[in-house]
Amino acid sequence: GAVVSQHPSRVICKSGTSVKIECRSLDFQATTMFWYRQFPKQSLMLMATSNEGSKATYEQGVEKDKFLINHASLTLSTLTVTSAHPEDSSFYICSAREGRGFSYNEQFFGPGTRLTVL
Amino acid sequence: GQNIDQPTEMTATEGAIVQINCTYQTSGFNGLFWYQQHAGEAPTFLSYNVLDGLEEKGRFSSFLSRSKGYSYLLLKELQMKDSASYLCAVIRAGTALIFGKGTTLSVSS
Repeated sequence: GAVVSQHPSRVICKSGTSVKIECRSLDFQATTMFWYRQFPKQSLMLMATSNEGSKATYEQGVEKDKFLINHASLTLSTLTVTSAHPEDSSFYICSAREGRGFSYNEQFFGPGTRLTVL
Repeated sequence: GQNIDQPTEMTATEGAIVQINCTYQTSGFNGLFWYQQHAGEAPTFLSYNVLDGLEEKGRFSSFLSRSKGYSYLLLKELQMKDSASYLCAVIRAGTALIFGKGTTLSVSS
């Protein structure tokens, strides 16, 4: 149980185009999903937190107009990188959590999406 | 602010024991996680500590001291497949995981 999928696993696009990445919880309802970005040889940096049915909360320094997050259902969140540029090339990872509030619930990570912007 | 420190790199030999330390200063603390990550893959869960003390799970153990803002991951009977990055992460009030920079462990024969 507790499987999270991401699609696509790899994407190569031209500069200026938009790319949508999907994150799905396959066997549980994810009230909260998180999006992380990881540059080579660096750790995961939290980009935003999204709760189903409400607007995402972005971390400081992350442009909300550039990284559009939608969490329209309890099993799907999408991250759209708008007008992508080479500096957006990175490994994007989502994670999903069942519960709300401050109690512990393990986060389950998707396999990641490798974005390369030419 | 948030600050999670761990060594950048460590090396060890097969069969040995290695301890990876993590110190943290975060606004809010609801527990500390250790994850293993192989290159190009997502992190996989290793352990979770919310109370002081040692949690043992097979070859892996994790320790937490909340008063000292300190944790360590202990790996015993090292195997080549344990070569990976080990990420220390704190879950703060509000439930977001904040990761340290990770420790790259190289195990040699």
